[in-house]
Amino acid sequence: EIVMIQSPLSLAVSPGEPASISCRSSQSLLNRNGDNYLDWYLQRPGQSPQLLIYLASTRASGVPDRFNGSGSGTEFSLTIRGVEAEDVGVYYCMQGIQTPALTFGGGTKVAI
Amino acid sequence: EVQLVESGGGLVQPGESLRLSCAASGFAVDDTFMIWVRQSPRKGLEWVSVLYRGGRRDYADSLKGRIALFRDTSNDTLYLQMNSLRVEDTAVYYCAKARQISFFGVEGLDVWGQGTTVIVSS
Repeated sequence: EIVMIQSPLSLAVSPGEPASISCRSSQSLLNRNGDNYLDWYLQRPGQSPQLLIYLASTRASGVPDRFNGSGSGTEFSLTIRGVEAEDVGVYYCMQGIQTPALTFGGGTKVAI
Repeated sequence: EVQLVESGGGLVQPGESLRLSCAASGFAVDDTFMIWVRQSPRKGLEWVSVLYRGGRRDYADSLKGRIALFRDTSNDTLYLQMNSLRVEDTAVYYCAKARQISFFGVEGLDVWGQGTTVIVSS
């Protein structure tokens, strides 16, 4: 099983300020096709997770461009260029390279 | 609209059974990779069961032998039969679909249901 470790556990940000979350995997998520199988999700309070980023850096449909994913191999990050009130929630990374045993990070809580 | 709606959760005693449902609309469950994920304070998000296009199923080791995944293509619904429930199975259960899956991996889970809560307690 691929273990996903996120940091920090929580983050308090002022509106308009940037935020950054890190995710590390116990095995490389870079497949031989050149893609990194790493997703980012946001779970707002009381809601189910929603896809933000897939393949490490591709924004999902409708996701604002203030969200940016980067990284390769075993080190990844999600950056929010200027946090807005609607960005509050818990962010998770997930590896998609080892199916069916998809695994998630422990989450990073972002508060304003 | 592409949507997933789960149902069937509830409060049960250890050893009892439940059948969860995941009704899809806007797409066919046969056309993509579907997954059940559960979320608990103790273990966070963890995969439970998957259905590949073509019908193959897989189950997490912690639940193997106690769960079974069925599909009804006539109404695009997945069913997760859960038997011999344990206290540690208490969680919110979500179904989700993959945006895309290839030989190389899963490229995002782009549609999630609202979740259904299972509580196992005596």
